[in-house]
Amino acid sequence: RKEVEQDPGPFNVPEGATVAFNCTYSNSASQSFFWYRQDCRKEPKLLMSVYSSGNEDGRFTAQLNRASQYISLLIRDSKLSDSATYLCVVNRIMNTGFQKLVFGTGTRLLVSP
Amino acid sequence: DARVTQTPRHKVTEMGQEVTMRCQPILGHNTVFWYRQTMMQGLELLAYFRNRAPLDDSGMPKDRFSAEMPDATLATLKIQPSEPRDSAVYFCASGLAYGGEDEQFFGPGTRLTVL
Repeated sequence: RKEVEQDPGPFNVPEGATVAFNCTYSNSASQSFFWYRQDCRKEPKLLMSVYSSGNEDGRFTAQLNRASQYISLLIRDSKLSDSATYLCVVNRIMNTGFQKLVFGTGTRLLVSP
Repeated sequence: DARVTQTPRHKVTEMGQEVTMRCQPILGHNTVFWYRQTMMQGLELLAYFRNRAPLDDSGMPKDRFSAEMPDATLATLKIQPSEPRDSAVYFCASGLAYGGEDEQFFGPGTRLTVL
């Protein structure tokens, strides 16, 4: 089982639709959570951090459920420019005490006119 | 606009050849990461440096891969000898870490094809 699991999609939605992605993680010690966005043939870029209380940034809302080890991303009023792959990311605490990020393989979103 | 830079952007080589990829992290960042991305495996961490010291290279095949930071402005990833299964996009990322992990800024990647 992968440490971070996501539905690869693709999710095909029309402009203006609301779409939600889910992600599960296996390491209960993880403390930091993120969503990154990766456009085709480009590098990943941070979309937003995910806080325990949930957080919103414009049309994007992220939620964390620690008990179920589950993270979600909700996109409202989808735009064509939202078409991308969305990577769920959690941190792993190493034996050394340092931390590193573990990336899911991503969920692909296609928004059509 | 500070960015991570990587060279070369594309590399096609034959099996058995040495490949060297270079990365210039954002000035002032104290952590540097090398990742490999394939369709099947997604992003995998190969090596991780903090203040130029290697912290974790457990994701890297030691027999053929090596990663170094000769100075704060340059990180290198070498593959010798290269194999077709090494074909992937290799990303360098840098960030600032204060005990935990902060945002990582990725370079544009080196797209490697080994024939």
